[in-house]
Amino acid sequence: DTGVSQDPRHKITKRGQNVTFRCDPISEHNRLYWYRQTLGQGPEFLTYFQNEAQLEKSRLLSDRFSAERPKGSFSTLEIQRTEQGDSAMYLCASSLGTTAGYEQFFGPGTRLTVL
Amino acid sequence: SQKIEQNSEALNIQEGKTATLTCNYTNYSPAYLQWYRQDPGRGPVFLLLIRENEKEKRKERLKVTFDTTLKQSLFHITASQPADSATYLCALDEKGNYQLIWGAGTKLIIKP
Repeated sequence: DTGVSQDPRHKITKRGQNVTFRCDPISEHNRLYWYRQTLGQGPEFLTYFQNEAQLEKSRLLSDRFSAERPKGSFSTLEIQRTEQGDSAMYLCASSLGTTAGYEQFFGPGTRLTVL
Repeated sequence: SQKIEQNSEALNIQEGKTATLTCNYTNYSPAYLQWYRQDPGRGPVFLLLIRENEKEKRKERLKVTFDTTLKQSLFHITASQPADSATYLCALDEKGNYQLIWGAGTKLIIKP
């Protein structure tokens, strides 16, 4: 257990529905990341927060995806109007520091299946 | 185009031998390179970080090398054990960029 938790662990939804995932990072970590991972691939960066500010967002992230980190603590990732191509493992990670080069601590992930 | 390549074929190693995994990259200038371990159905777990000005880093049975001229990092596990079986991912971050860019990973199987 890395100290990063994600909820739910599994989500099955029908195409067109909205889903929301939650991530609770390690409490003293000011950076929080969201990734998506499909089978046989490495994690793909989605977005990144430093405290409550969303500093970077992947160009691959469509308008259907939105993330928040109110008060710089937990974060939510929402996917609207889900598509079958959204089926993947969604990973959250947190890290210390205000410069690059710090290890990231990952949660167990949320596996999304869109039917 | 930018690429990170790890051997997509599984690596089968006899217990007790040294396992060596490769991470090659093109068109990146990484400030850091990290190695993670991932077990099925779980998130990656950090193993080692090496900076661009470091040639080698060790931690217990693990060793990482970083050659910025060859654009390659090698990850070694000595005295390998079946419990080392997992997928190993390399990730790099470019100078001034906080994103980690990941390879697809190499599956390592240690046979008793």
